[in-house]
Amino acid sequence: EVQLVESGGGLVQPGGSLRLSCAASGFNAGGNYMTWVRQAPGKGLEWVSVLYTTGSAIIADSVKGRFTISRDISKNTLYLQMDSLRVEDTATYYCARSSSGWFDLWGQGTLVTVSS
Amino acid sequence: DIQMTQSPSTLSASVGDRVTITCRASQSISRWLAWYQQKPGRAPKVLIYKASSLQTGVPSRFSGSGSETEFTLTISSLQPDDSATYYCQQYHNYPNTFGQGTMLEIK
Repeated sequence: EVQLVESGGGLVQPGGSLRLSCAASGFNAGGNYMTWVRQAPGKGLEWVSVLYTTGSAIIADSVKGRFTISRDISKNTLYLQMDSLRVEDTATYYCARSSSGWFDLWGQGTLVTVSS
Repeated sequence: DIQMTQSPSTLSASVGDRVTITCRASQSISRWLAWYQQKPGRAPKVLIYKASSLQTGVPSRFSGSGSETEFTLTISSLQPDDSATYYCQQYHNYPNTFGQGTMLEIK
């Protein structure tokens, strides 16, 4: 089955770190642009980062210098390393496959709560 | 960054109605626009890409149109299952940006 499954969310204190994982199955994640999108509780969608097939990445200004996108090709898994977390980073984080720009496959999401 | 503005923010309509949601871009994005449907507690699902191309498996009552800065999503005959929030997304450049969403309620 073609799917994405996120994990790694949870409760963390401001200034803390988390690493989110997104395990792909049924397709080669490394052969696609892969993206993280987040959604704060009750709010809209916010694009966070994209990882190109080449391994290069673009990251949103709101998280630049704090978040890093990466992958493990052998595990067919995408990651989002989140450091120096802030209360405003509280959101459900989705990974998504980018099909020529739009997102044709989404994971179920993982909730990150930043609170003291 | 390109700003995407949807209207209306909320919409209430009856089963069988024709419904239109508008999305405006702050600058030209050609036809690099997608529409998503999101139900509570679920991930978004793509309906339309490249402004008017219907994603495989999406009912034909959904259609998209527009180019440059003005786009519309139309549901030709509203069904109870269409109750959801709808988002537009531009992928003309990075950062990709989304509209603020349109919450569609079935009367």
